[in-house]
Amino acid sequence: DAKTTQPNSMESNEEEPVHLPCNHSTISGTDYIHWYRQLPSQGPEYVIHGLTSNVNNRMASLAIAEDRKSSTLILHRATLRDAAVYYCILRDPNYGQNFVFGPGTRLSVLP
Amino acid sequence: DAGITQSPRHKVTETGTPVTLRCHQTENHRYMYWYRQDPGHGLRLIHYSYGVKDTDKGEVSDGYSVSRSKTEDFLLTLESATSSQTSVYFCAISEFSIRRELFFGEGSRLTVL
Repeated sequence: DAKTTQPNSMESNEEEPVHLPCNHSTISGTDYIHWYRQLPSQGPEYVIHGLTSNVNNRMASLAIAEDRKSSTLILHRATLRDAAVYYCILRDPNYGQNFVFGPGTRLSVLP
Repeated sequence: DAGITQSPRHKVTETGTPVTLRCHQTENHRYMYWYRQDPGHGLRLIHYSYGVKDTDKGEVSDGYSVSRSKTEDFLLTLESATSSQTSVYFCAISEFSIRRELFFGEGSRLTVL
């Protein structure tokens, strides 16, 4: 099952770190964990992905639990531009080229 | 930003009419995808392509057909539009399939009256 569970919404203050959690307790051993975000009226935007080790890029960090049943997307210093819906997604086992997008977490950033 | 252009960006049409949405890329990526996004459903895959003339169905392919005669263009056709196909349609491209990042277009908002 490629389902993930995320909080519906979160709030953060500008310039503070944000930790967005995701549960994926039934993830298969070879599936990557992907994070995308969608700003208002735009298409989704790739943020980061990882398999087992923690990953860092210019946008964010991804911390993956040792048992891979959960992960956390970390925005080190939230800006107003980071207000978006964040999707933690896995590959669909029924359609190899498909992601299973859930409702995601709506992040609000307060000035 | 990845070079992806969707057209038209907005379209209003009537039930029963044919509609074609175009996705054009300048990145020479092998994989192209069509998704639809509806409130309460998130993004769902309609069809995808893994090369010129190579396409396959996604989870919500009924009522849609696609064609890819050139690397840069992926067309989504609604042969006879229905109100249930009112949605926002997103095209995405990828160089190495979904194991690497997808780049999404700006979306095409279709309203079927």
